[in-house]
Amino acid sequence: AQSVTQLGSHVSVSEGALVLLRCNYSSSVPPYLFWYVQYPNQGLQLLLKYTSAATLVKGINGFEAEFKKSETSFHLTKPSAHMSDAAEYFCAVSDRTGGTSYGKLTFGQGTILTVHP
Amino acid sequence: DAGVTQSPTHLIKTRGQQVTLRCSPISGHKSVSWYQQVLGQGPQFIFQYYEKEERGRGNFPDRFSARQFPNYSSELNVNALLLGDSALYLCASSLELAAGNEQFFGPGTRLTVL
Repeated sequence: AQSVTQLGSHVSVSEGALVLLRCNYSSSVPPYLFWYVQYPNQGLQLLLKYTSAATLVKGINGFEAEFKKSETSFHLTKPSAHMSDAAEYFCAVSDRTGGTSYGKLTFGQGTILTVHP
Repeated sequence: DAGVTQSPTHLIKTRGQQVTLRCSPISGHKSVSWYQQVLGQGPQFIFQYYEKEERGRGNFPDRFSARQFPNYSSELNVNALLLGDSALYLCASSLELAAGNEQFFGPGTRLTVL
């Protein structure tokens, strides 16, 4: 079964600082990879996804993530944090092979990002 | 265009009761999935439906059931509610049933079981 590990349940940065949120997956076949953001009392919004094209994926709101097969990682970064980035971020994977879990998303535990002025 | 809509937004039930949650996908989307998000955790997959047929089921008891209607809307039913069923229930829709397809999430239904 696939699993996703997000290192750090809470990350705190200053406004303007680099944001780095870590995600590692466990799968023998590289899955599809996603980052979602969730603002308080809202659903999930897709930031970006990796399907198999470029390993560096650019998303919305200035976020990007790099797929590293050798490290089974898909870390999310943003060069300069903004107050509006404060939210909870989820890394998720989807199995490429389908079967009974076709399209199913497996999520990590989430990382709460706090941005200090 | 309207996104995924869910109703109701909030719900309070007592143990042993039954609940029905509703979801309307984005127009043209044929696949609907349900997820349970317990406070402080990531969403957990419950069901996936495509063209009115169940195409995936997560590790949830038989108290959980769902269906998809001809207009692609969906209902999630939970019987014999337990305190542990308190969670945010998220519905997501996608255009087709394909691995890697983007899933668009609704705002969720917050269920509280007392």
